[in-house]
Amino acid sequence: EAEVAQSPRYKITEKSQAVAFWCDPISGHATLYWYRQILGQGPELLVQFQDESVVDDSQLPKDRFSAERLKGVDSTLKIQPAELGDSAMYLCASSLGPSEGYTFGSGTRLTVV
Amino acid sequence: RKEVEQDPGPFNVPEGATVAFNCTYSNSASQSFFWYRQDCRKEPKLLMSVYSSGNEDGRFTAQLNRASQYISLLIRDSKLSDSATYLCVVSPYGGSQGNLIFGKGTKLSVKP
Repeated sequence: EAEVAQSPRYKITEKSQAVAFWCDPISGHATLYWYRQILGQGPELLVQFQDESVVDDSQLPKDRFSAERLKGVDSTLKIQPAELGDSAMYLCASSLGPSEGYTFGSGTRLTVV
Repeated sequence: RKEVEQDPGPFNVPEGATVAFNCTYSNSASQSFFWYRQDCRKEPKLLMSVYSSGNEDGRFTAQLNRASQYISLLIRDSKLSDSATYLCVVSPYGGSQGNLIFGKGTKLSVKP
């Protein structure tokens, strides 16, 4: 079964440091999403890509977060500087199109200390 | 009002029980509806899509009531392995955006 690959699985970083997460979607999936899930909450969208273009980044804290998908395949999400409140699971998902269900990667669990 | 609301539970039920979860959504223009399952510290996984006509997959039945803007999930003959958090998910897709809006989830614990 095709998978969405994410790395690293776990990341511990000190506040004010920079951190980056990587995602490789299922081959052929044009739509890629980054979600953040705080413990006890549902996932919340950070950014949506259609191919290499950002479709929705309205919930992305742009003062510290950035995301790119330069060639329309894999994607990187960066936080600089990290804050304690950024501790969460960062989930990448992809789909064939906007109206299809997603496949999630296993996520990156970030702890900011 | 939150876009997708669910009773967080937990629902503690014995094996073999039937359990039902409801979820309400605020955007009447929502187009697609799903139930996802999430095990502890794992990623969400699609359980089933929800169609206007209702749909069934083995022990699981999902229904959509557009007039009342709610979605339900029924699990019959609960198994220990059904213990998880069930996320109600709505897509406001009606144009180019397809992001999914997740509820906070309902926790189910099936006991022997």
